[in-house]
Order: sequence, then C-alpha cells, then structure tokens
Amino acid sequence: DQQVKQNSPSLSVQEGRISILNCDYTNSMFDYFLWYKKYPAEGPTFLISISSIKDKNEDGRFTVFLNKSAKHLSLHIVPSQPGDSAVYFCAASAMKTSYDKVIFGPGTSLSVIP
Amino acid sequence: GAGVSQSPRYKVAKRGQDVALRCDPISGHVSLFWYQQALGQGPEFLTYFQNEAQLDKSGLPSDRFFAERPEGSVSTLKIQRTQQEDSAVYLCASSPMRTAYNEQFFGPGTRLTVL
Repeated sequence: DQQVKQNSPSLSVQEGRISILNCDYTNSMFDYFLWYKKYPAEGPTFLISISSIKDKNEDGRFTVFLNKSAKHLSLHIVPSQPGDSAVYFCAASAMKTSYDKVIFGPGTSLSVIP
Repeated sequence: GAGVSQSPRYKVAKRGQDVALRCDPISGHVSLFWYQQALGQGPEFLTYFQNEAQLDKSGLPSDRFFAERPEGSVSTLKIQRTQQEDSAVYLCASSPMRTAYNEQFFGPGTRLTVL
C-alpha cells in the first residue's frame, strides 16, 4: 500500500508556462515533505521542502503548497524551462516520531517543450 | 566539491552470486542511507547508519542483504545469493544531520542486473 502517491506518471508543459506536480499521502503522521529532482543516470537532488506548520514554501521559481486536511501537496514551477525536464519525486517523513525515514512516491516525469 | 560516489556504476551478476556495492559519502556526513529503486518506482528505504551504528535496517528485504559502515565513513551493501528480483538501482545518500528526514545528498547509484 503506497503511503505517498503521485498519480500522474508524466506531464508535458510548454516552456514559460506553469508546471504543477501533485502528490497525495495517506499517513496522517507525516509532517515533513520534500521534493527531489532526478536526471537520467544521476541520483536525486533535493529541490524544496515544507513542514506541516506551513502551507506554502517558496524558493525562486519553485513553490510547494501543502493542504493538510486533504493530505495533498503540489509543486509549482513558474516559469518552466527546458532544463526542468526530469523526474520529480515527492517524499514524506514523520519527523516528530522515531519513524522519521523518508518515504518516496513513484515520481512524475516532467517534459518542458521549448 | 566531491559528492557521494558509488562503485561500481553497473554490475551484472549471475543468479546465486554474491555482490558488494560501495558507497563513499560526503566527508564528515554523519548519516548514510541505502535505497533500492526498481524501474518506474521511487527509491525505497533499505537501511540507515549514524556514524558506524546501523540504527534502522527494517527495509532490508531479506537476510541475504547486509550493510556495514565499520569506520563511520565508507559503506558497503552486500547481497548474497543474488536473485532476479534483486535487479534494481541501489542508491546511497548521506546527510550532515543526525535525523533521517532532512535533505539527503544522493550518489549516482549502482545498477544491478541479475541474470
């Protein structure tokens, strides 16, 4: 049973437009969320994170929104650039418990079309 | 600067062979993690070290999997009597923090193919 879900395996967006990647989680104990980006033949790299005390965190072109009641978060990339084409993983953790290891979703492959 | 390195990058093993995968974390990083990534899936937690202590090995799929970090730096993941279902990319990550939820720095992975 997947605790972190990314229901869109792939997404295509025109350069300059907004990319919205979605993530849902089932475990109400999760209170810290991260997004990682992965290029082919490389390991994932950290992008942005958010704790459950916030509902929004922004870093340049990247913004993560958290809706705790819906157990849903989303990553917005504005404007999208061709170099953003990669697989994006949503990840969750329960930092207030001893069960604080990170659980990853299956990923969404983003293609930004020039 | 030097990131996390893993070797070999690719490994082909015959079913039943033993394999050893190496991870060199970023110097000074306290925490080290191993993940297994199957095709089309996200990384799945295997085990976690804080310095030389293995604090969590709950993700190791069977007793054929063994990990060590004897001096608190380099780590080795060993898989005995490999099976076809062990075919995956094995990722190592390190972190300067003593908690598992913070940003982790990943290596490029070792792609293991078991024939």
